[in-house]
Amino acid sequence: DTAVSQTPKYLVTQMGNDKSIKCEQNLGHDTMYWYKQDSKKFLKIMFSYNNKELIINETVPNRFSPKSPDKAHLNLHINSLELGDSAVYFCASSHRSGGSEKLFFGSGTQLSVL
Amino acid sequence: AQSVTQLGSHVSVSEGALVLLRCNYSSSVPPYLFWYVQYPNQGLQLLLKYTSAATLVKGINGFEAEFKKSETSFHLTKPSAHMSDAAEYFCAVSDPSFGNEKLTFGTGTRLTIIP
Repeated sequence: DTAVSQTPKYLVTQMGNDKSIKCEQNLGHDTMYWYKQDSKKFLKIMFSYNNKELIINETVPNRFSPKSPDKAHLNLHINSLELGDSAVYFCASSHRSGGSEKLFFGSGTQLSVL
Repeated sequence: AQSVTQLGSHVSVSEGALVLLRCNYSSSVPPYLFWYVQYPNQGLQLLLKYTSAATLVKGINGFEAEFKKSETSFHLTKPSAHMSDAAEYFCAVSDPSFGNEKLTFGTGTRLTIIP
């Protein structure tokens, strides 16, 4: 009955590979997000989707492509992985975009690019 | 543009002692302010938030924070630390017009509780 679940929890891969991280929320929220947390714990928003539409796309390389098949899912596909992509990626959701709606976070996917 | 600065990347307090985690913000508009906590191997959880109502905000687990506009601060406090409070704490600021889409986090403060 996990609210926001993301898989896999750990992902170790070689440079140049393509990988995906999946995220699902069962809270009935209409807005989902991807955050990147670097080795210094700095947390930065990457993407925000509201009702399957892209709301925000921060300065993220186009090797990163989010896909939202429905409101409950927001997957992150990464092409041509680079060493600098190593980080913890968090999926999150909220009731609606804007305002001060509480964010619910998944437990993170630790990506290690070798 | 908005930003938050958390003074002290590591804070250690004895069990039962006062917890004080500092956060200063910069914002061109009246902000919304948040404190999130991250336990090991978990995502962030909301502790409390300030949305321009009462300046003293009470959150979960006995934490509270006070919004001080004159000092541009939103420090987090708890009168008596418990071992279970050991975690990473993040202060965050957002523009009310954009909400979570413009939520900016600080770099976090790791709280260690000394038995």
